[in-house]
Amino acid sequence: EIVLTQSPATLSLSPGERATLSCRASQNIKIYLGWYQQKPGQAPRLLIYDASNRASGIPDRFSGSGSGTDFTLTISSLEPEDFAVYYCQQRSSWPPLTFGGGTKVEIK
Amino acid sequence: EVQLLESGGGLVQPGGSLRLSCVASTFDSYAMSWVRQAPGKGLEWVSTIRDSDGRTYYADSVKSRFTISRDNSKNTLYLQMNSLRDEDTAIYYCARHLEWREFFHHWGQGTLVTVSS
Repeated sequence: EIVLTQSPATLSLSPGERATLSCRASQNIKIYLGWYQQKPGQAPRLLIYDASNRASGIPDRFSGSGSGTDFTLTISSLEPEDFAVYYCQQRSSWPPLTFGGGTKVEIK
Repeated sequence: EVQLLESGGGLVQPGGSLRLSCVASTFDSYAMSWVRQAPGKGLEWVSTIRDSDGRTYYADSVKSRFTISRDNSKNTLYLQMNSLRDEDTAIYYCARHLEWREFFHHWGQGTLVTVSS
């Protein structure tokens, strides 16, 4: 099973700041990583797939990068609606499909 | 706009059964999955069913207890859950995959399953 480790667990930032979230895989997953955003009481929303492709309707302030074992989600300038929990997920080797433990982006 | 609507959740005793349903506005040609989230916890993949051949996949934690199925004529996805345990308590989301990729593009609002005596 591929284990995904996200860091930091919590990121405290102000609106307008840049957010950098990390996801590390326990083995090489090539580019087969996605990112989701989840707000309280809501279902997750797919942001990024295959490491760097934005899903439909996702603002361009969200970008993804990385390959192999190290991946990054960057939010270039935080908007008030971006404060949420973010999860990474791999599809390289499954079953099982696996998620990281999440990073909470909170208002400083 | 793709819409997914789950139903069938509720309170059940340990060892009991439930059947979840998910009605989709569009269904054909997409793999579908169930993903769950225990209270205050992260996301956990539960099961997937492919569109092309109906092949199914399960997390080890639910294998032999849960059964995923689909009825394309009704645009409906199912999850039959047997021998339920306390640790199955979660919100269960159905999700439609992104094209042929194993990413979850469209999600339902979720249905809560509580296993407790």
